[in-house]
Order: sequence, then C-alpha cells, then structure tokens
Amino acid sequence: ETGVTQTPRHLVMGMTNKKSLKCEQHLGHNAMYWYKQSAKKPLELMFVYSLEERVENNSVPSRFSPECPNSSHLFLHLHTLQPEDSALYLCASSQENPTYTEAFFGQGTRLTVV
Amino acid sequence: KQEVTQIPAALSVPEGENLVLNCSFTDSAIYNLQWFRQDPGKGLTSLLLIQSSQREQTSGRLNASLDKSSGRSTLYIAASQPGDSATYLCAALGTSGTYKYIFGTGTRLKVLA
Repeated sequence: ETGVTQTPRHLVMGMTNKKSLKCEQHLGHNAMYWYKQSAKKPLELMFVYSLEERVENNSVPSRFSPECPNSSHLFLHLHTLQPEDSALYLCASSQENPTYTEAFFGQGTRLTVV
Repeated sequence: KQEVTQIPAALSVPEGENLVLNCSFTDSAIYNLQWFRQDPGKGLTSLLLIQSSQREQTSGRLNASLDKSSGRSTLYIAASQPGDSATYLCAALGTSGTYKYIFGTGTRLKVLA
C-alpha cells in the first residue's frame, strides 16, 4: 500500500466508449501525475497537476482529458480511444518541495481498447 | 532534454549473488534520483531516493549511489533472493521546468533459486 489508490484496476473499452480512470492519494501531497506505460518503452509523462492546476501537458491527444478537482483526486477521462492507447496507466503523487520530493505510485489501471 | 538509460536491460543471476544495476542520465541538473521496483502488471514501489546533495542511500540489502558529475547512479543488491525478481527503474527529477520524473527503460532482474 503506497497511499495512492487507482480504480479500476482493469478496464476494457470499445473505441466509441467514454470511461474515466480515478486516482486518490492519502499522503497530503500537492502534485499529481498521470503516466502511460507501454510495452518496452519508458514511462511517458502525460499530465502534471500542481496545487490543482495543470502545469504540464506532454503533447497528449485530446481524447485524453485530465481533471483535478482537489489535491487528493485526479481523473483521466477517456473517449474515442484507439487500440494503440492500450497500456498501463499509472498515477503518482509527490510533494512540491525539491528537497523531499519522493514520488509514490498507484497500482495502475490496465487499459485495453478493442 | 534529459535522457535516462539503464544497463543492462535484463539480468539473470543465481540466488545469493551481489549485483549492480546501472543508471545514467544526460543532464546533471537534478533535484534527486529515485529507484523503483515494479512487479509484472503492477505499479511502482519506491525503493530509495537520493537527493542531489547526497552520495548514497541504504535500505536493508539495497544501496544506491549517485555521482552527479558523471551522470551516474548505481543500485547495489546484496545477497540476491528470488523475491528480488522484478523490473528496476530509475527516475531523475530535473531542476528545469515543472517537476517531472524522467524514467529509464528499466532492468529486468531474475534471481534463480
């Protein structure tokens, strides 16, 4: 248990579906992240939220839409995805203090787009 | 642009061996470097965090070192066990721009009983 919880753990969706991934952290952190992990590729940073404001959008297609309603919750809204979007989506959180910024990750959501 | 490389990509060793995993980064302007473990299909578990001002950190059988000037970090695992089998990832937190960790591709470790 890392203090970062992601739901659902597994998701299968069609290309025309709309779904959302949820992340919740119980660590009192003020920064949250979405990463995508595809086979044989490094983790790719998708979005960074700091103090509930999006500070990084790493050229992610608009079919991925993040939402951070408060410092403890982060969502990733999905619509009209492509099969190549199938991957493990990881959420992380950290504290925006450079000296102590250790990142903690959730267990991930395994997404399959059919 | 920061690039992080991990060598070797895969490693298979008999139980009990001491081993070293390598991580190199191209931009030495980092706040810290963090080592993670990932079991198949699971999330990342933080192992060790080394601040830029530190040279090494230890936790149990794990020891991580950092040499910013050469852009290198090593993770030393003593007396390896089958339970250590996993993928090990390093990530560098850069000082420029927003806080974001740049990951290497990982070293897939298998410890044979």
